[in-house]
Amino acid sequence: RKEVEQDPGPFNVPEGATVAFNCTYSNSASQSFFWYRQDCRKEPKLLMSVYSSGNEDGRFTAQLNRASQYISLLIRDSKLSDSATYLCVVPGEDAGNMLTFGGGTRLMVKP
Amino acid sequence: NAGVTQTPKFQVLKTGQSMTLQCAQDMNHNSMYWYRQDPGMGLRLIYYSASEGTTDKGEVPNGYNVSRLNKREFSLRLESAAPSQTSVYFCASSVPVAGTSTDTQYFGPGTRLTVL
Repeated sequence: RKEVEQDPGPFNVPEGATVAFNCTYSNSASQSFFWYRQDCRKEPKLLMSVYSSGNEDGRFTAQLNRASQYISLLIRDSKLSDSATYLCVVPGEDAGNMLTFGGGTRLMVKP
Repeated sequence: NAGVTQTPKFQVLKTGQSMTLQCAQDMNHNSMYWYRQDPGMGLRLIYYSASEGTTDKGEVPNGYNVSRLNKREFSLRLESAAPSQTSVYFCASSVPVAGTSTDTQYFGPGTRLTVL
């Protein structure tokens, strides 16, 4: 299994829809997980951190399933401004604090 | 508080030319990183510096050198640029997440490099 695997999409959804992305990871020892958002031609920006079973921030919910080694990101009531690429990030399997970035899932929210 | 800054924003080089990408952070972070991002691929770590005075290779270090000039600055040098080094380069710095062995990383705006 790749260290971090994401469906590249694109996910095309109408405004107001609920959409969910999954991300699988191979490092069973990972304790912390992150979702980053990357707009076209911009730098990645931290969206959410996940340390236990999950985290919620407004319309965004991140959930962790340690047994199956995946994390998910749920976006409710999608806005046009949510259109971006969402990167799943987990600690790498090498020693140290290195992070491994998934290839990203592209979301396009249509009017 | 500017966060992480990078210069230049854009650069075009000819094969064999050299250049240095500059990165600075004003968040007093110990760790700094250089990544490259190619279309359709995730971020790949080139080099990192866990603290001032130390540097280590990442996943794709060949063709690059780095210097951690001080706590604020971490530069990336291409000695002899090749077309395969055409990419977007991101610098990042990080802060430990309390109670974990993981850092949260913050990125600069990137340098778009084209090697002809």
